[in-house]
Amino acid sequence: QTVVTQEESFSVSPGGTVTLTCGLTSGSVSTNHYPSWYRQTPGQAPRTLIHSTSTRSSGVPDRFSGSILGNRAALTITGAQAIDESDYYCVLFLSSGIWVFGRGTKVTVL
Amino acid sequence: QVQLVESGGGVVQPGGSLKLSCAVSGFTLNDYGIHWVRQGPGKGLEWVAFIRHSGGSAPYPDSVSGRFTVSRDTSQNTLYLQMNSLRADDSAVYYCVKEGNYFMDVWGKGTTVTVSS
Repeated sequence: QTVVTQEESFSVSPGGTVTLTCGLTSGSVSTNHYPSWYRQTPGQAPRTLIHSTSTRSSGVPDRFSGSILGNRAALTITGAQAIDESDYYCVLFLSSGIWVFGRGTKVTVL
Repeated sequence: QVQLVESGGGVVQPGGSLKLSCAVSGFTLNDYGIHWVRQGPGKGLEWVAFIRHSGGSAPYPDSVSGRFTVSRDTSQNTLYLQMNSLRADDSAVYYCVKEGNYFMDVWGKGTTVTVSS
């Protein structure tokens, strides 16, 4: 069974840059997986940040960017702010026709 | 304004059934598909179902295949998630989400399902 991998946690200083990644236990991530990224704070519904690898959703600040780095999808936060402290999830669309979430990365800004 | 409102959550015994609803507004189900995503207590997000704008459904993940069925009533702008043979690990907040191009676009606020005796 294909598993989507994400780092468990990251810590970043205010104003700093952090890159989260999203991989596959079998194979490489490509644009054909339509990587997308979501942010969630406790008790709230998720919010869509990035779709189709690198397209920011409406209203998402440009400090968030998406890309493919090597064999993984990546979400980079440039100039992190305290309000960016959240859980971040990636989703990949697999060739079997299903979507699979990663387990999420907890980002701490301090 | 695009809006999705889930309902139908509650407490159900193991082995029981429950049918969730998702009322949508600001767009039509003939134009957009809808995902169902769940989140267990203290856990991450899990995709569980997708119904296309054509009315067909995507394959279900192994965790719910054969037990969950997604359907819709376009005249009522409402989606449904029929959940049978419920287990404790089906306990979660269930979100319905308007599709984007191979991604989840606009999220509802969710409805809570608790499977417990």
